[in-house]
Amino acid sequence: SQTIHQWPATLVQPVGSPLSLECTVEGTSNPNLYWYRQAAGRGLQLLFYSVGIGQISSEVPQNLSASRPQDRQFILSSKKLLLSDSGFYLCAWSGGVRGVSYNEQFFGPGTRLTVL
Amino acid sequence: GESVGLHLPTLSVQEGDNSIINCAYSNSASDYFIWYKQESGKGPQFIIDIRSNMDKRQGQRVTVLLNKTVKHLSLQIAATQPGDSAVYFCADPYGANSKLTFGKGITLSVRP
Repeated sequence: SQTIHQWPATLVQPVGSPLSLECTVEGTSNPNLYWYRQAAGRGLQLLFYSVGIGQISSEVPQNLSASRPQDRQFILSSKKLLLSDSGFYLCAWSGGVRGVSYNEQFFGPGTRLTVL
Repeated sequence: GESVGLHLPTLSVQEGDNSIINCAYSNSASDYFIWYKQESGKGPQFIIDIRSNMDKRQGQRVTVLLNKTVKHLSLQIAATQPGDSAVYFCADPYGANSKLTFGKGITLSVRP
């Protein structure tokens, strides 16, 4: 079976501090990986996606960056956080498992980030 | 998917009644749709999907209907239970890497 982990679960950071959120998946090989942000009471906004190690595509210009140093590891980073970076960050994976379509995405538990 | 949105932000139903959640999409080329359920403080969970060559698909207590003529899909939940209370999103993958467009979500509240 496949599992996806995100940590930390919650994070409170001051403006201007760096950020590193980590996501790992198990039980799949060469999945697509995604980072989403969800503002309170809103839908999900796709930030980055990756189809392989070292391959990152950015969907929206922002203060964040992503990296994929290993096949099943996806990291979201920032050098200096802004107040507007607050939100619920979700990692998702798709594909890489026999019988599972790349169209179907599976989400992690999320990280609640508050920037003060 | 260019735009996938939901008609209403909230829906309140009596426990035991059926719920219907509607969604409109704008990209006539969309050929696959997914419904997700997101409980408070958790990531979205896959509920059911449907391909454009189908009009209807049934799961356990849930049915998705697709009307390609008016670019509309709906999620029907039979005998709604308190555990169904959540935010529901429709989404359609687009692009070569199956990126998803999500609507804002509709909050389903079940009254006891």
